[in-house]
Formats: sequence, structure tokens, C-alpha cells
Amino acid sequence: DIILTQSPGTLSLSPGEGATLSCRASKSVGGNILNWFQKKPGQAPRLLVHHASRRATGTPERFSGSGSGTDFTLTISSLEPEDSAVYYCQQSVGPPFTFGPGTKVEIK
Amino acid sequence: QVQLVQSGAEMKKPGDSVKVSCKASGYTFRNYAFTWMRQAPGQGFEWVGWISPLHENTRYAENFQDRVTMTSDASTNTVYMELRSLRPGDTAVYYCARSDSWEYWGQGTLVTVSS
Repeated sequence: DIILTQSPGTLSLSPGEGATLSCRASKSVGGNILNWFQKKPGQAPRLLVHHASRRATGTPERFSGSGSGTDFTLTISSLEPEDSAVYYCQQSVGPPFTFGPGTKVEIK
Repeated sequence: QVQLVQSGAEMKKPGDSVKVSCKASGYTFRNYAFTWMRQAPGQGFEWVGWISPLHENTRYAENFQDRVTMTSDASTNTVYMELRSLRPGDTAVYYCARSDSWEYWGQGTLVTVSS
């Protein structure tokens, strides 16, 4: 199974600042089938980026994904208050589909 | 539009079973596989298993192999996840998602296991 680790655990930033979230895989993610989700309390996860760098429908342009192989990054260029959430990376190469432990983004 | 609607919250006792449903609409049901995941309070996501309605193929996470069964009913466009021998550690929100695109998720079903 592919194990995903995320860093940092928590980010505390002000509106307008940029955020860089990291996701590292224990082995290469084939086809870069690496997704990023946003999770807010009481809501289902929302797909932000798929295949490492492709924004999902409706994802604001301030979110961008990059990376390949074992190292991936989600960048939020200019934080908005509504970006307060936990962000998870997930590999969907094939079952089992594994998630990282998440990065909590707090907006000051 | 595509919608996945799950059944309501459940309260169970240790040793009970629970069956959660996920009803799909807005597309051809058999064409896409589903994944079930769960999120325990304050925890991350745990993959439970996967089902393809087209061939009724399933694959379960090792942790759940002997306790979970996933089924599908094409007549009602519904997939089901049954988890048996429940324990307090199974308390979580269970989600279904269409795992071709990961864009479509059910709203989640809270299963609480407590004596």
C-alpha cells in the first residue's frame, strides 16, 4: 500500500498570505493520480485538485497543485477566510485508496 | 445532476450490525464504482472498501475483511455497506463516493456504537 505523509500538521496564516502544503508518498504514485481534498466540519470532502495539478470543476484559481512521483504540493496563493479547513491528499492509483493525515489551515 | 444520498444516522450497541445505503441519481449507475470511507471523530480518513456495480466486484481493506460486505442493487441505483460485530472504535461518519472522479460524495452517515 502507498502511505502518504503530509506536512506541516497545522498552518496558521492571515488572509492574503500564501500557503504551501506538502504530501509525500512512500512509493511513486503511478500516473500521478494524486488528489487534494478540502474538508470542513459537517461537510463531505470537496475535491480541489486531481491528477496532481488539474483543478476540479469550481475550484478557485488560487488553489494549484504540482508535483510528481513521490512529492506533491498544494499551493493556496492568497488565503481567504473560507479556506479555513483540513486539507487531505489521497492517492487513487487503485484500491486500497489511501489518504494522508491532513494539514489543518487556520486563518488568523 | 449527479447526487449520492446516504441513509440516516444510526445508534448501535457493541456486537450489532449496521447497513448503510447510498442511493445514486443523475447518471448511469452501473458505469462507475463506489468507495466507502470513514472518518472517526477528530481523525483522518480510513478506506473501508470498493464496489463496482457493473460486475459486482468488491475489494475490502484488510482491517475490515472479515466484518464488511458491500452490495449493489441496480434496480434502485443503490449501494450498501454492512459492517458486523460493531465495536466502539467503529464510531465514525461513513461516506460513499464515486471513485472514478472523486467529485461526487454522499453527505455522510454517522454511526455511533455505544453500550
